[in-house]
Amino acid sequence: RKEVEQDPGPFNVPEGATVAFNCTYSNSASQSFFWYRQDCRKEPKLLMSVYSSGNEDGRFTAQLNRASQYISLLIRDSKLSDSATYLCVAWGNTGKLIFGQGTTLQVKP
Amino acid sequence: EPEVTQTPSHQVTQMGQEVILRCVPISNHLYFYWYRQILGQKVEFLVSFYNNEISEKSEIFDDQFSVERPDGSNFTLKIRSTKLEDSAMYFCASSDSNSNQPQHFGDGTRLSIL
Repeated sequence: RKEVEQDPGPFNVPEGATVAFNCTYSNSASQSFFWYRQDCRKEPKLLMSVYSSGNEDGRFTAQLNRASQYISLLIRDSKLSDSATYLCVAWGNTGKLIFGQGTTLQVKP
Repeated sequence: EPEVTQTPSHQVTQMGQEVILRCVPISNHLYFYWYRQILGQKVEFLVSFYNNEISEKSEIFDDQFSVERPDGSNFTLKIRSTKLEDSAMYFCASSDSNSNQPQHFGDGTRLSIL
């Protein structure tokens, strides 16, 4: 089983749509999780950390369900500029980051 | 906003040659990392470095690879006797803590082995 698993997509949505991505992780000992955004051939950029209580940053909401080992990212009112690959990332207990394959989002006008 | 910088942005090298990829982490960060991403694949951890020594390395990071912090600002990844399969994006990252903190990535070096 992959350590961090994501649906690769692509998700093709119109501008203004709400879209949700899911991610599962296999190591129940993982303590921290993040969503990073990666544009084509660019570096991963931190989008937001994910907390058990859920957290929101503008149009973005992240949720963590430790019992189900499941993480989600919700994007409301999608913009063309949201088109990218979204990486679900677990913080390994030794400090390394463990990346999922990424979910590709394409927002269309 | 402080950032991690990497040089060169693109390196083309003949198979069998040695390459050195350079990184300048964020100045007050103490933990340094190298990751690689083969085209079309996920980002993979290579090595972490703290207090002038390797903290952890992956299976990928074999004797062909080495890291060094030669001075107070640079962090380098050396790949000896490069192979075709070493072609990838190499990302350097740094953080101010190894405890549940996100890491900040440089914009990467694209390594092409011919």
